[in-house]
Amino acid sequence: RKEVEQDPGPFNVPEGATVAFNCTYSNSASQSFFWYRQDCRKEPKLLMSVYSSGNEDGRFTAQLNRASQYISLLIRDSKLSDSATYLCVVMGEGNTGKLIFGQGTTLQVKP
Amino acid sequence: DVKVTQSSRYLVKRTGEKVFLECVQDMDHENMFWYRQDPGLGLRLIYFSYDVKMKEKGDIPEGYSVSREKKERFSLILESASTNQTSMYLCASTYKYTEAFFGQGTRLTVV
Repeated sequence: RKEVEQDPGPFNVPEGATVAFNCTYSNSASQSFFWYRQDCRKEPKLLMSVYSSGNEDGRFTAQLNRASQYISLLIRDSKLSDSATYLCVVMGEGNTGKLIFGQGTTLQVKP
Repeated sequence: DVKVTQSSRYLVKRTGEKVFLECVQDMDHENMFWYRQDPGLGLRLIYFSYDVKMKEKGDIPEGYSVSREKKERFSLILESASTNQTSMYLCASTYKYTEAFFGQGTRLTVV
């Protein structure tokens, strides 16, 4: 079983749609959780951190369920500019801050 | 702004050459990471370091070694480059359990 698993997609949605991505992780000792965005041929960049209480940043909402070892990202009112690969990232095996990435979910927003 | 700088954007090397990829960060981060990214496989961890002279193997360390003589610099070494090491290489750094910052990536082609 992979340490961090995501549905690779692709997700093809029309502008204005709401889309949800899910991610599961295997190590219950994991400490921190993030969603990154990666555009084609560019490095990943932080989209948002994920907290147990859930957090929202504009059209983006992230949730963490530690009991189920599950992370989600919800994008409302999708824009063409949201087209990218979204990476689920889990950190914190022991005290070393090891970073593990899911393989990414590709989103294509169409007019 | 945190800056993570990789020494080259593009490299072409011959099979059997020894290859050095350099990464420098300017924010005194303890943790540094080397990943390779291939289509359909996501980011795979090669090695990481949580302190000067400390290193841990990631998921795919075979054929690679690393060096961290100074806190700001983490080098990836391909002892004898092979064509299956053609890939995008990404360096990242973090402070404890906070977000990771990436370099711009090095696209290595081994011919």
